[in-house]
Amino acid sequence: AQKITQTQPGMFVQEKEAVTLDCTYDTSDPSYGLFWYKQPSSGEMIFLIYQGSYDQQNATEGRYSLNFQKARKSANLVISASQLGDSAMYFCAMREGNKGNTGKLIFGQGTTLQVKP
Amino acid sequence: GAVVSQHPSWVICKSGTSVKIECRSLDFQATTMFWYRQFPKQSLMLMATSNEGSKATYEQGVEKDKFLINHASLTLSTLTVTSAHPEDSSFYICSARATGIAKNIQYFGAGTRLSVL
Repeated sequence: AQKITQTQPGMFVQEKEAVTLDCTYDTSDPSYGLFWYKQPSSGEMIFLIYQGSYDQQNATEGRYSLNFQKARKSANLVISASQLGDSAMYFCAMREGNKGNTGKLIFGQGTTLQVKP
Repeated sequence: GAVVSQHPSWVICKSGTSVKIECRSLDFQATTMFWYRQFPKQSLMLMATSNEGSKATYEQGVEKDKFLINHASLTLSTLTVTSAHPEDSSFYICSARATGIAKNIQYFGAGTRLSVL
């Protein structure tokens, strides 16, 4: 079964508008971390934002915020005031438990976002 | 964020030759590094987890004799694709987990595009 699901293969957003990228996860581990990465066409993976399972508040980093709904097991990424440079592939990922140094990330399928001028 | 350097960024080689890819954590020590493979428009597939001073842990289905991983120091891991064939052509990307830095974020290199002729 998929542990991380991103149901939107591709999305469009108008420049300066906000956009939400969906991510749902599945785990029975009470301790986990959720991550979002951006991958532009150049291929590098850029870390955007992190949410811990015990964090009481939704994470925010500049124009990025994570809408964490624990009961629904969702961790949607909200990008406010979209810019042309936000056009990229976005990946949601999860690391389960307190795995020490070897905890590996499980990635979703990714969502391609295109920002229209 | 922390910096991970990956070299080379692009390599073209003849079938049957071996290719070495380097992954360095530039401003932090990484006891654990990860190697991923990515096909176009797809998610990252974890190949192996590389631990400094010990043997790498390979994911199911990944040939350890084909993809040799060495993690000789706290800042360097290498992936050698031995006797490369056209089906090994892909985008390979490494990451290092920055322990000691808040949230233990995994930072990624810029990736290596391998083309085997």
